[in-house]
This record gives sequence, structure tokens and C-alpha cells, in this order.
Amino acid sequence: EVQLLESGGGLVQPGGTLRLSCAASGFTFTNYALTWVRRAPGKGLEWVSGISANGADTSADSVKGRFIISRDNSKNTLYLQMNSLRAEDTAIYYCARQLYYFDQWGRGTQVTVSS
Amino acid sequence: ETVMTQSPATLSVSPGEGATLSCRASQSISTFLAWYQQTPGQAPRLLIYGASTRATGIPARFSGSGSGTEFTLTINSLQSEDFAVYYCQQYSDRPLTFGGGTKVEIK
Repeated sequence: EVQLLESGGGLVQPGGTLRLSCAASGFTFTNYALTWVRRAPGKGLEWVSGISANGADTSADSVKGRFIISRDNSKNTLYLQMNSLRAEDTAIYYCARQLYYFDQWGRGTQVTVSS
Repeated sequence: ETVMTQSPATLSVSPGEGATLSCRASQSISTFLAWYQQTPGQAPRLLIYGASTRATGIPARFSGSGSGTEFTLTINSLQSEDFAVYYCQQYSDRPLTFGGGTKVEIK
């Protein structure tokens, strides 16, 4: 059974940092691209960052230069380093396995940016 | 960027009735469209990809259609577990973009 388990969310002040993790199991991690998607309060889903099986990464303009996606294939884990956080980054962050669409999702971790 | 627009924002339906949800793309995306379902506190679930192919384990009461810029998700005979928010997503170009969602609520 495919499982994606996010962790690392929490309450952080504006300008602060957080590092999210997503532990994957039940599939061959190195064969798949992975992505982070978020859902802000009262809003829809927003693609944040993605990383291919060979490590090429892309990010949305809204987080470019502040968020860094990475993966550790030895630990079957996806990461999102979030720097210079803003109030508008408040959201539930989901990791997802990516084909072109997203076929498996975690249940998310809450990130709240507030003073 | 391809903008995805869903309508209506909210759809009130009685259990056992059908529902039709719409999704429009700001430019042609062929059939590179997926639909997801999300219930409160749960992860999104892939329903449909390729505009009309049901994902593994998705009941036959869910069907998708359309191509180009106009797409439809049809749910026949809604069950209690179908009351949720539904999102469309295009994967024709980057960045990958979602619609704003349609909430299907109990009438």
C-alpha cells in the first residue's frame, strides 16, 4: 500500500523558517516525481514545488527563491525547506506522487504563519 | 499560465440524485485533465485522469468527459460519501494548475 506521511508543520512567525518532510513507502521511490501542493484557508489547491525522479526541481512563482524542494532517495523522503515565510503561506501542505497528475496523496501538515 | 475555472462554486443535491460539475480551461489542454475529490480532513483522491479515465478503485457512477477547453464531471446517484469538494487540474503545461473547486453539499 502506498503511503505518504507529512510532518514538520507548525506555527511560525513571519520571516521564519520551517522544513517539511514526507516519508514515502509502498512503492519504488526513485521511479517517481514528487510534489508539494497546498490549500490555504477558504481557497483551492495550489501546486507549490515539484521534483523529478532524477532531481530536477521547479517551483511556483509565489514561492520561488524562498522554498527549496529536495529528496533523499536513501531515506525515501521528500523535503520542503520554507524560508522567509509570509502570512499568505498559511495552508495545509500535501505531498503527492506525480505522474502528470497526482495519483497518491498524503493527509497533509498544517503550516501557520502568524505573529 | 492556464487558468482553470470551475462552476458552480456550490451545488446542492439530494442523495440519490445526479450532479454535473463543469471545468473550463483558459486555453486548449486537449484531454490533459484530472479530477480530484476531497472530503474534510482527508487527502485529495484522484478520480479521473485523461479527462475520462477512472482511476483505480473509483466507482462507475463517476464519469468524466470533454476535451479542449470544456470538461464535465458527472456523478450518478450521489451517495453520502460523495458530498465533498471536487477539483479539476490541468497537466498540459507548466505550472500545473487547479480550478477553484466545486463543493457538492446535501440539499
